[in-house]
Amino acid sequence: QITLKESGPTLVKPTQTLTLTCTFSGFSLSTSGVGVGWIRQPPGKALEWLALIYWDDDKRYSPSLKSRLTITKDTSKNQVVLTMTNMDPVDTATYYCAHSIAAAGKEGSYGMDVWGQGTTVTVSS
Amino acid sequence: SYVLTQPPSVSVAPGQTARITCGGNNIGSKSVHWYQQKPGQAPVLVVYDDSDRPSGIPERFSGSNSGNTATLTISRVEAGDEADYYCQVWDSSSDHEVFGGGTKLTVL
Repeated sequence: QITLKESGPTLVKPTQTLTLTCTFSGFSLSTSGVGVGWIRQPPGKALEWLALIYWDDDKRYSPSLKSRLTITKDTSKNQVVLTMTNMDPVDTATYYCAHSIAAAGKEGSYGMDVWGQGTTVTVSS
Repeated sequence: SYVLTQPPSVSVAPGQTARITCGGNNIGSKSVHWYQQKPGQAPVLVVYDDSDRPSGIPERFSGSNSGNTATLTISRVEAGDEADYYCQVWDSSSDHEVFGGGTKLTVL
């Protein structure tokens, strides 16, 4: 059974750096084809895809946020970490991590088939 | 950047068929995934690769994709299907996932 759980601060100040950790079980991020992504959702708004890391440490980022995002993995700890710099109140959202299996040639995936429960982050001074 | 367009809302009576569209330039050449999100919950994958269902998803949920429109069809709609639905594709031009703006399904 695959599970994922997000953790991190619930409140950050503007200009600070946000660090979120996704701790997972039921799969290994060293297995070929496996990926873990991050998605966020501002209150009352749509889902927004942020970043993805693959089993081979290849990484993908949202073009609009690429300069502010870093995604890393620690296979031994079964964790994926997302950092977002220069936080702003518009970054207030619920942040989710999710498991996926890469499609051939990493041209997408077979969908994000298991999601964490999400963690809410508020940006305010 | 690739844009996916969904109607903000769709309403349907119980027992009827709901169709939720997702528009995009030549989306028929892409694999489309659909998610259901109920209030206060994480999204759930209900259709992947245009028309496949993950295990545990009722056969009432089906998908199609052709030309510039992908469609999620929910047959024999139940009150429990009331939720927000999102489509998703991979934008190969810039190597990232894209979500549609979401559609709120209301069961009358």
